[in-house]
Amino acid sequence: SQKIEQNSEALNIQEGKTATLTCNYTNYSPAYLQWYRQDPGRGPVFLLLIRENEKEKRKERLKVTFDTTLKQSLFHITASQPADSATYLCALATNSGYALNFGKGTSLLVTP
Amino acid sequence: EPEVTQTPSHQVTQMGQEVILRCVPISNHLYFYWYRQILGQKVEFLVSFYNNEISEKSEIFDDQFSVERPDGSNFTLKIRSTKLEDSAMYFCASNKQANYGYTFGSGTRLTVV
Repeated sequence: SQKIEQNSEALNIQEGKTATLTCNYTNYSPAYLQWYRQDPGRGPVFLLLIRENEKEKRKERLKVTFDTTLKQSLFHITASQPADSATYLCALATNSGYALNFGKGTSLLVTP
Repeated sequence: EPEVTQTPSHQVTQMGQEVILRCVPISNHLYFYWYRQILGQKVEFLVSFYNNEISEKSEIFDDQFSVERPDGSNFTLKIRSTKLEDSAMYFCASNKQANYGYTFGSGTRLTVV
């Protein structure tokens, strides 16, 4: 069956450090992968999309890598700030390509 | 910045009652979605809608559920006879193309008692 695995343990880091979150998947052949941020009680917010032919994508302090051989994506936040504290979700397209399946997310806590 | 609007923000209903959750997607978006999130669990796909028809649905989206786009702006999710296990946050989302990022609404918290 298809699985999207994200580290269920919360990631605690100090302000200013780089946070690295992992997304592993099985039984998907994704043309692209997306990352979202979710705050408690709110809807997910789209951050980045990376396509299968892209190794890396950046947006401000965010960087995503995508390794289709390892079936893994890494999500980095550099110079992290307390405001970055949230749950970060990895998402892959369903087989039809019409919708996304989400991982459970990894909670990030950035302390001053 | 354009938003996806959902109403109501919170709905309490008795088991067995019908509920309709409402969404106004972003006006130039063509693809519409409903997701749900049970407290403490992951965001789960329910249904996608394109060109006035369902393009994909999950196993969760059984005969109790239906979607409709009654006019050019609204997109609704109906649950015919609610069960306790339907209690969740329901999110509407939209995008311009199927492989673009989604814009999610703030959600409707449905509580079935």
